[in-house]
Amino acid sequence: EVQLVESGGGLVKPGGSLRLSCAASGFTFTSYTINWVRQAPGKGLEWVSGISGTSSDMYLADSVKGRFTVSRDNARNSLSLQMNSLRADDTAVYFCARDPRGNGWYFDLWGRGTLVTVSS
Amino acid sequence: EIVLTQSPDILSLSPGERATLSCRASQSVSRNYLAWYQQKPGQAPRLLMYDPSSRATGIPDRFSGSGSGTHFTLTISRLEPEDFALYFCQQYGSSPLTFGGGTRVEMK
Repeated sequence: EVQLVESGGGLVKPGGSLRLSCAASGFTFTSYTINWVRQAPGKGLEWVSGISGTSSDMYLADSVKGRFTVSRDNARNSLSLQMNSLRADDTAVYFCARDPRGNGWYFDLWGRGTLVTVSS
Repeated sequence: EIVLTQSPDILSLSPGERATLSCRASQSVSRNYLAWYQQKPGQAPRLLMYDPSSRATGIPDRFSGSGSGTHFTLTISRLEPEDFALYFCQQYGSSPLTFGGGTRVEMK
């Protein structure tokens, strides 16, 4: 089955760290740029990060630059988002999403998401 | 950054009616690179349209997208019960890519 499955969310205190993972299956993982998109409770969508198939290109939204890093392990068909210095406004469901066109920047396959809550 | 404004916030319609959703951009969207997504409670977004009139795989032909420059429209020709959901537009013509705030299509 073609799918993305996120994990690693949870409750963390402000200033803390969390590492999210995204496991891919059913498609040629290395052929796709994979992204993270988040959605704060009851709010709209915000693009967070993207990484190309070979990891040659990595992109981060200004709101997370210097705090988040993205990486991928093509041997394991997985993607990670390391989140440091977390703030309350990072609270959201984090989705991983596939770009079908390779830096086309729209998303044809999404995971179900993992919830990150930043609170003391 | 391109700001996308969706209207209306809520659209109250009955099954079988036509739904017209608007997405306006604060500046012209490069190459008309605009997509539409549907989201139901507790679920991930689902790609409906891109470029902006190309239908994604498996999307029924009652969904159509149109527009250019700063004004784009998603039309659902005849609402089915499963179409009552939240709809977002997204531009991917320039960085950073941005999403609209959403239009909720609810059953009257």
